[in-house]
Amino acid sequence: DTGVSQNPRHKITKRGQNVTFRCDPISEHNRLYWYRQTLGQGPEFLTYFQNEAQLEKSRLLSDRFSAERPKGSFSTLEIQRTEQGDSAMYLCASSLGAGSLYEQYFGPGTRLTVT
Amino acid sequence: QKEVEQNSGPLSVPEGAIASLNCTYSDRGSQSFFWYRQYSGKSPELIMFIYSNGDKEDGRFTAQLNKASQYVSLLIRDSQPSDSATYLCAVNKGYGQNFVFGPGTRLSVLP
Repeated sequence: DTGVSQNPRHKITKRGQNVTFRCDPISEHNRLYWYRQTLGQGPEFLTYFQNEAQLEKSRLLSDRFSAERPKGSFSTLEIQRTEQGDSAMYLCASSLGAGSLYEQYFGPGTRLTVT
Repeated sequence: QKEVEQNSGPLSVPEGAIASLNCTYSDRGSQSFFWYRQYSGKSPELIMFIYSNGDKEDGRFTAQLNKASQYVSLLIRDSQPSDSATYLCAVNKGYGQNFVFGPGTRLSVLP
């Protein structure tokens, strides 16, 4: 399967703990995106990478969130000191290029539950 | 005004009918428009995209774009129960910009 993959698929954690998610994009895709989605809402942009460079972070993203894409391949999203409001589906997507004509393909998501 | 708006639904249509899903956007400079289907508990799946004014057809799906009215729609012909899902409209405002998603419209196709 050459699609976008994400691990883990589900994560349950206690408030205050740190969690890390991984995303492996489609191999030839140089753009990688992170989104968060809560029930009844569309995906909300968090951040994106062009190769290894993190080009933009959402203003809504608190300092507890950090993302990396060290070699321009897979990416990790870490949430420190989790809060109950962080419970959501975290989606990763990738695209072949940066232009407006390039569609994004999503991975299966990581569902985070903070208790 | 939200950047991308959709009726939340649910939109219910009988099997075999045409389902019409609508989306409006606020940024007149938006360049490309995407429709994703999302089944409950799953991630969004790309259905089709459109860049130019007019209609674009792909199988049972037709996307329609009217940039002057800042309106994009998705028609699903011969709707099937398996089409029951949430349909997300996404707008790309141009090079280097990101997708902005609407809240989605929940479609229910009744057998």
